[in-house]
Amino acid sequence: AQSVTQLDSQVPVFEEAPVELRCNYSSSVSVYLFWYVQYPNQGLQLLLKYLSGSTLVESINGFEAEFNKSQTSFHLRKPSVHISDTAEYFCAVSVVGGTSYGKLTFGQGTILTVHP
Amino acid sequence: EAGVAQSPRYKIIEKRQSVAFWCNPISGHATLYWYQQILGQGPKLLIQFQNNGVVDDSQLPKDRFSAERLKGVDSTLKIQPAKLEDSAVYLCASSFQGSYGYTFGSGTRLTVV
Repeated sequence: AQSVTQLDSQVPVFEEAPVELRCNYSSSVSVYLFWYVQYPNQGLQLLLKYLSGSTLVESINGFEAEFNKSQTSFHLRKPSVHISDTAEYFCAVSVVGGTSYGKLTFGQGTILTVHP
Repeated sequence: EAGVAQSPRYKIIEKRQSVAFWCNPISGHATLYWYQQILGQGPKLLIQFQNNGVVDDSQLPKDRFSAERLKGVDSTLKIQPAKLEDSAVYLCASSFQGSYGYTFGSGTRLTVV
């Protein structure tokens, strides 16, 4: 079975400051990794994903995450946050192949609050 | 392209009543998922369909929850009878067969009182 641990339930930060949201996972098989964002009263939106290739993946709005296999981590970073980045962020994994391909196992979520 | 549509957005029922949620996936998406998101937790998969067949329902409480996907398009998730602990947001998602990372609907927020 797979599990995902998001190490911080809440992260407050000031606008234009850097931020890191931490994610560790546990799995006995190969996994793909994802970050989702959920704005208030909205559904989950895929922010970025790691399937293969470069271990550093980027989103269109300035977030990046790096897959570290040895540390089983997939931390999310942004060098300068904006008020509009305030949301809940979920880290998730999906087993490569298998019968339940595509099934996501989520962490508990990290609420990012950006203060002016 | 239109997103995943879900209805209703909100539902309040008393315990032991029945409730149904509806999901219309993105056109052409063969795979459909229902997730349950309890407040303060990450979403948990309830059931996964491939066309109109069930791929995974291992975490679906089958004594009270049921789901179907007629004709491999729309899907309905039903709870009968509801319990207080079923209060959650029910999220539907869809994807092309075999793809990873997909789009979620806005969800249905269920409150059982």
